[in-house]
Amino acid sequence: GNSVTQMEGPVTLSEEAFLTINCTYTATGYPSLFWYVQYPGEGLQLLLKATKADDKGSNKGFEATYRKETTSFHLEKGSVQVSDSAVYFCALSDSGGGADGLTFGKGTHLIIQP
Amino acid sequence: KAGVTQTPRYLIKTRGQQVTLSCSPISGHRSVSWYQQTPGQGLQFLFEYFSETQRNKGNFPGRFSGRQFSNSRSEMNVSTLELGDSALYLCASSLGEGEKLFFGSGTQLSVL
Repeated sequence: GNSVTQMEGPVTLSEEAFLTINCTYTATGYPSLFWYVQYPGEGLQLLLKATKADDKGSNKGFEATYRKETTSFHLEKGSVQVSDSAVYFCALSDSGGGADGLTFGKGTHLIIQP
Repeated sequence: KAGVTQTPRYLIKTRGQQVTLSCSPISGHRSVSWYQQTPGQGLQFLFEYFSETQRNKGNFPGRFSGRQFSNSRSEMNVSTLELGDSALYLCASSLGEGEKLFFGSGTQLSVL
């Protein structure tokens, strides 16, 4: 079956530091890959996605590239802000949007200190 | 445009009871999915409904059920509650296959 593995944290960084959150996956076929973010007391929001190999998803300064050869979808940001503090989830789906059921990683709690 | 609305926000039940949670999708969205979020197991897919039909299902026991009405509003029901059912239950809606999911803020269920 499908599975997603990501570092759980918490990951603590100083403002303006470079961020990498690793994500690797196991899937049959060619899944779509997603990063979701969850702020305290809120539901999940789609941050970015990629639907085929070598695609790069980007949004709000965050980027992730679909690497089929390493089955990875690492999240990066060049300069983090305090407002980026949240829990980040890597996920995959057999469909482009995820309505058929997303498989999530356990989530990475990111804390940005001023 | 209003987002995905879940009610109630918090719920406390005792073991053996049953519970019904409600989800109102974004206007025009016909697909509604449900997820369970716990500290131990993380986020797990329960089921998805589209146009009143269950289209996809996760690996949960039959105590977990759902339905969707003609206006796309959805309910999920958990019968014979167990302590392990304590979780945040999230609902998500989308226009359909391949479309972006929008999540609600969830219903926090505590089983005592």
